[in-house]
Amino acid sequence: AQSVTQPDIHITVSEGASLELRCNYSYGATPYLFWYVQSPGQGLQLLLKYFSGDTLVQGIKGFEAEFKRSQSSFNLRKPSVHWSDAAEYFCAVVARYGGATNKLIFGTGTLLAVQP
Amino acid sequence: DAGITQSPRHKVTETGTPVTLRCHQTENHRYMYWYRQDPGHGLRLIHYSYGVKDTDKGEVSDGYSVSRSKTEDFLLTLESATSSQTSVYFCAIRGDRGLDTGELFFGEGSRLTVL
Repeated sequence: AQSVTQPDIHITVSEGASLELRCNYSYGATPYLFWYVQSPGQGLQLLLKYFSGDTLVQGIKGFEAEFKRSQSSFNLRKPSVHWSDAAEYFCAVVARYGGATNKLIFGTGTLLAVQP
Repeated sequence: DAGITQSPRHKVTETGTPVTLRCHQTENHRYMYWYRQDPGHGLRLIHYSYGVKDTDKGEVSDGYSVSRSKTEDFLLTLESATSSQTSVYFCAIRGDRGLDTGELFFGEGSRLTVL
C-alpha cells in the first residue's frame, strides 16, 4: 500500500533563510507526487507536482522539489523564505494506474513558522 | 478557481443529530472526494465518487454516508453525529482533463463541531 511520511511535524526558520521540507513515500513503482500548501483557515493549494521527466520540478511561489527514486523522497525546497510562507505543507502520492481506485494519499503535514 | 463550493462552512451541532455537508462543483468532473482533516493525521479519505450514483469507501468511512444524484453535487451525511466527528471536512475534485495525474482541487472546507 502507498504511504507518505513527513518526518518533521513543525519547523521554524528565519525569514530569508533557506528551507527544506522532507517527504518520503512508499510505493513499488514511480508514483505521481504532489506538494500542497494550506494557509490558516483555507483549503489546500497545489504548489507543484511530479509525474515524469526532469526530476527537479518548479512550482509556484518560488518553491521547487526534487524527486529522488533511490531515496524514495520528494523534498520541497525554497532558497529564501518569506514571512508569507508560514503555513502547513502536505506531501501526497498517488499510484500511476488510473480509474476509480486511484486515490491521493497525504502525509500528516509539516507546519512551517517563519521568524522575523 | 476550481469551482468548488462547500456548505455550510461552519456548523455546530449536538451529539446524535444528523448532519449533511454539501459539495457543489461547476467543472463537470467525474471524480469527487470527501476528506477530513485532523491535527496529527493530515487528510484522510472518507468516501469518494466516480460518477453519478457510483461511490465507494475510503479509509475512515465508519459513521458517514454519501450520495451523488447529480454530477455537480456530492453530499456527505453523518447519520448521528458524535464528538469524534468534530473536524474540518474538505471536498475535492480530480483534475481529469488530459493526463490524469490524480491531482486534486479542494474546496475551502467545512468546520464541524459536535458538542
